[in-house]
Amino acid sequence: DIQMTQSPSSLSASVGDRVTVTCRASQSISTFLNWYQQKPGKAPKLLIYAASSLQSGVPSRFSGSGSGTDFTLTISRLQPEDFATYYCQQSYSTLWTFGQGTKVEIK
Amino acid sequence: QITLKESGPTLVKPTQTLTLTCIFSGFSLSTSGVGVGWIRQPPGKALEWLALIYWDDDKRYSPSLESRLTITKDTSKNQVVLTMTNMDPLDTATYYCAHTSTVTNVRGPDYWGQGTLVTVSS
Repeated sequence: DIQMTQSPSSLSASVGDRVTVTCRASQSISTFLNWYQQKPGKAPKLLIYAASSLQSGVPSRFSGSGSGTDFTLTISRLQPEDFATYYCQQSYSTLWTFGQGTKVEIK
Repeated sequence: QITLKESGPTLVKPTQTLTLTCIFSGFSLSTSGVGVGWIRQPPGKALEWLALIYWDDDKRYSPSLESRLTITKDTSKNQVVLTMTNMDPLDTATYYCAHTSTVTNVRGPDYWGQGTLVTVSS
């Protein structure tokens, strides 16, 4: 299995802050890395695919970068609706794996 | 537009077999590259991928659960069925099905169902 490790597991931030979440793969996955946002009681929503491509309809304050084993999700200016849990997922292998999630909370 | 919806029992007893159905619209599982996957999430915990089936009937399973899982498709009914044997209270989770495609750059789950909560308890 390809293991995905996210950091931090949680963070507190204020509206307007710049927030960065990191995801590391246990082996190189090129840019086959997706990011999801999940709010309580809801299904995950695709934000970023192929490491840096913004899914249609997702605000431009979300961005992704990285390749190989190290990836980053950045929210440039945190909005109230961005408080949620974020997951990375590798699609390099057809044996999908997810990170353990990063919960973004209000400071 | 693409939609998916999971259905099945909300409560199963330990050792029983769980059968979940994903009914979808807006795409066909006979289209090259298309697939449907299952992912679960125990209460308060992370997402865990379970199984995946593609248009050509290629199947993939989580190595840790492979012996307990079977995924099948009925293309004519736009349905995918997941069975999980020997259920345990640790299998209590919300179970999601999701669309994927190998011909897009996502290659992971892009459209998700709403999820269905399955509780395992005697």
